[in-house]
Amino acid sequence: DVKVTQSSRYLVKRTGEKVFLECVQDMDHENMFWYRQDPGLGLRLIYFSYDVKMKEKGDIPEGYSVSREKKERFSLILESASTNQTSMYLCASSLSLAGGTGELFFGEGSRLTVL
Amino acid sequence: AQRVTQPEKLLSVFKGAPVELKCNYSYSGSPELFWYVQYSRQRLQLLLRHISRESIKGFTADLNKGETSFHLKKPFAQEEDSAMYYCALAYSSASKIIFGSGTRLSIRP
Repeated sequence: DVKVTQSSRYLVKRTGEKVFLECVQDMDHENMFWYRQDPGLGLRLIYFSYDVKMKEKGDIPEGYSVSREKKERFSLILESASTNQTSMYLCASSLSLAGGTGELFFGEGSRLTVL
Repeated sequence: AQRVTQPEKLLSVFKGAPVELKCNYSYSGSPELFWYVQYSRQRLQLLLRHISRESIKGFTADLNKGETSFHLKKPFAQEEDSAMYYCALAYSSASKIIFGSGTRLSIRP
């Protein structure tokens, strides 16, 4: 059973703080993704990674960065949190389309509130 | 640019009635399309994918390349179908996957 684990379920931070969201998957998936989920806007792709140390911008990368030093771990970093980054953040992983079905496996989500 | 559009934010139907959740996509290449579902207090999970041409929990979805649509259908809705449904498009060799804005399906008893 694929497991995607997000280290923090709930976080409250202050404007300007640096925030780290961690995600670990245990199925040796090549691809990892960070989305934010907002009512009425659905899931918007922030960044994704198709290999260690490789990353590509999604649709809303501004204000975020990512790190993938190991295959199983994908971190989302907010260098200076702002109130408009208050959201639910979802991490996901998948095999490549070439090697698998492209199905995404999601974590439980990290709800971030920036005051 | 690639895009997934779900025009309905909320769809409310009676139990036993047919359901159709609309999804349209914009992509010039050959799309890989999915429906994901999120039940209350559960993780987002795959419901079905177009390449499998399968029926899951009574739901089916047919890819119509002419209309660039991938609507999700079920002939007889059940209360347990109440959930948030997202249509998703996978593309590029790097397996980039984008989602629509979602449709909340509410089944009335």
